[in-house]
Amino acid sequence: DAKTTQPNSMESNEEEPVHLPCNHSTISGTDYIHWYRQLPSQGPEYVIHGLTSNVNNRMASLAIAEDRKSSTLILHRATLRDAAVYYCILREVLGGSGGGADGLTFGKGTHLIIQP
Amino acid sequence: DAGVTQSPTHLIKTRGQQVTLRCSPKSGHDTVSWYQQALGQGPQFIFQYYEEEERQRGNFPDRFSGHQFPNYSSELNVNALLLGDSALYLCASRLRGTEAFFGQGTRLTVV
Repeated sequence: DAKTTQPNSMESNEEEPVHLPCNHSTISGTDYIHWYRQLPSQGPEYVIHGLTSNVNNRMASLAIAEDRKSSTLILHRATLRDAAVYYCILREVLGGSGGGADGLTFGKGTHLIIQP
Repeated sequence: DAGVTQSPTHLIKTRGQQVTLRCSPKSGHDTVSWYQQALGQGPQFIFQYYEEEERQRGNFPDRFSGHQFPNYSSELNVNALLLGDSALYLCASRLRGTEAFFGQGTRLTVV
């Protein structure tokens, strides 16, 4: 699996935007970029995913570099509830068939600290 | 919708024993995956089940085995427990073409 590199931790203030970077220089043309986050004492939850174009949803935005070797997860207005570990993951297909091999490969992620 | 439910939430076992963890997928989901998360680490993929068969396996020994039932629920079995098996075990389910939903996990402590 292609590897991703993220900072170990980042700190931001409440109600300010947060930009979480991810490097994936060995990404292949068929790899989707996924972001999950894990709040304390909970299982990971899906945040957003994209292939080439920037993506927006109710939780966040995903900005993908033109060469796709890096991406940035953007939380537009962080709240204390956004404090979590954020994981950037590459996956070859978006679930495809149920029999596809699409186990997620998590790294250590970025521990996001939000200051009130 | 109850989402992905796992049982039990916590478990203490003795080294050498066997353990079975259970997972009920989110309604409508047909694929179940299991992950192991050691303290301070990201989840590590154990295996994935679809149509009652193991479809993909991570780098885990044969002591780790699983099963998927016709109602899509799943079990994770670990034999001959080691102290190093102490971890949070996460179950994730999905339907083809959708993202994975995770349960809150089972905290296993081996003493």
